[in-house]
Amino acid sequence: EPEVTQTPSHQVTQMGQEVILRCVPISNHLYFYWYRQILGQKVEFLVSFYNNEISEKSEIFDDQFSVERPDGSNFTLKIRSTKLEDSAMYFCASRGQAVEGYTFGSGTRLTVV
Amino acid sequence: SQQGEEDPQALSIQEGENATMNCSYKTSINNLQWYRQNSGRGLVHLILIRSNEREKHSGRLRVTLDTSKKSSSLLITASRAADTASYFCATGRNTGNQFYFGTGTSLTVIP
Repeated sequence: EPEVTQTPSHQVTQMGQEVILRCVPISNHLYFYWYRQILGQKVEFLVSFYNNEISEKSEIFDDQFSVERPDGSNFTLKIRSTKLEDSAMYFCASRGQAVEGYTFGSGTRLTVV
Repeated sequence: SQQGEEDPQALSIQEGENATMNCSYKTSINNLQWYRQNSGRGLVHLILIRSNEREKHSGRLRVTLDTSKKSSSLLITASRAADTASYFCATGRNTGNQFYFGTGTSLTVIP
């Protein structure tokens, strides 16, 4: 069964450093998303991406965040200058035309120290 | 806020019993999905129900949706220890947009 693949599974970074979280969506999917989940809290929407541009973003997705689909297969989330409060599990998701086809990756656990 | 709220927050049952989790939301929706998350792991899509549907089944799962009450329920029948996980509802308004997740119900099935 097709999967959304996220790497790395766990990343530890120093506060103020830049991090790039990588995702390989399902190959024929058209819509891409990033969500995050701070430990013990609900899953929060960050951004959606369609047709090579951001279609929607939340208040969390400020100027420190950016997304890119550099080569038609990878979908990345960059945090320019990490803060302690960015520590969370980050989930990538993708889907095709059908809403039922929404698939999440296993997540990247980001720890900012 | 459109975010769903699950009830109860935690549920502990014996293996073989049925587990029922509820979700309430505030605004009109296009669809509602249920997800499962094992501790520290990713989100697994379980089932989607559209706003014009009232009930849907998938294996041991049964989902109902009452749009007049803005609520949904997830029933897991004949529970197994492997069903132990957190269960989230997520509501969607339009096909391309984000989903709003609830806080989840933590289900423990005791062998």
